[in-house]
Amino acid sequence: EADIYQTPRYLVIGTGKKITLECSQTMGHDKMYWYQQDPGMELHLIHYSYGVNSTEKGDLSSESTVSRIRTEHFPLTLESARPSHTSQYLCASSGGAGVSYNEQFFGPGTRLTVL
Amino acid sequence: AQRVTQPEKLLSVFKGAPVELKCNYSYSGSPELFWYVQYSRQRLQLLLRHISRESIKGFTADLNKGETSFHLKKPFAQEEDSAMYYCAPLSINAGGTSYGKLTFGQGTILTVHP
Repeated sequence: EADIYQTPRYLVIGTGKKITLECSQTMGHDKMYWYQQDPGMELHLIHYSYGVNSTEKGDLSSESTVSRIRTEHFPLTLESARPSHTSQYLCASSGGAGVSYNEQFFGPGTRLTVL
Repeated sequence: AQRVTQPEKLLSVFKGAPVELKCNYSYSGSPELFWYVQYSRQRLQLLLRHISRESIKGFTADLNKGETSFHLKKPFAQEEDSAMYYCAPLSINAGGTSYGKLTFGQGTILTVHP
């Protein structure tokens, strides 16, 4: 079934740890995105990719990095987590056919807490 | 840079009352706009897109280029409409490319009381 997956769903980790948030999609989409969202607040685009080996920074500056080695996979990495990184991270993809071309499909999110 | 404004952070109505969630954008050219909805403990999902001129779950949204608005309306609100709603125009850079990027508004939390 076509879907977009994020793991882990919840992560509690100590300051200074390296973490990787996984995002995979079986939608066949070429574009993928990472957003940061605090509860009940707006979404901020932190990274996007329009294809394999392309990554760009979004509108909100982030200390995280991303890679896009495979079409379906778009992991986000924090080399050294800090409490200020505590947030919800949403992954999305787009690139469907016809009127759905620019529609973004979202994963369930990863809620990260850094102690 | 494009901006999108949803002036109401919170909106409360009673069941059966009409509801309008406001969205204003600053944009040059012909925008492509979306409304997204996030129900409690569910994923963010598309509610409707303006190019389809559709009605989803009784909601409609009309693009008013003169007022640069894309308000979301429903004549009779239901309790299950309680959710967070985001207006999101497609972002176009100076070169006319979007890469499918959306700019999300601040969101409006709609509560429909019984």
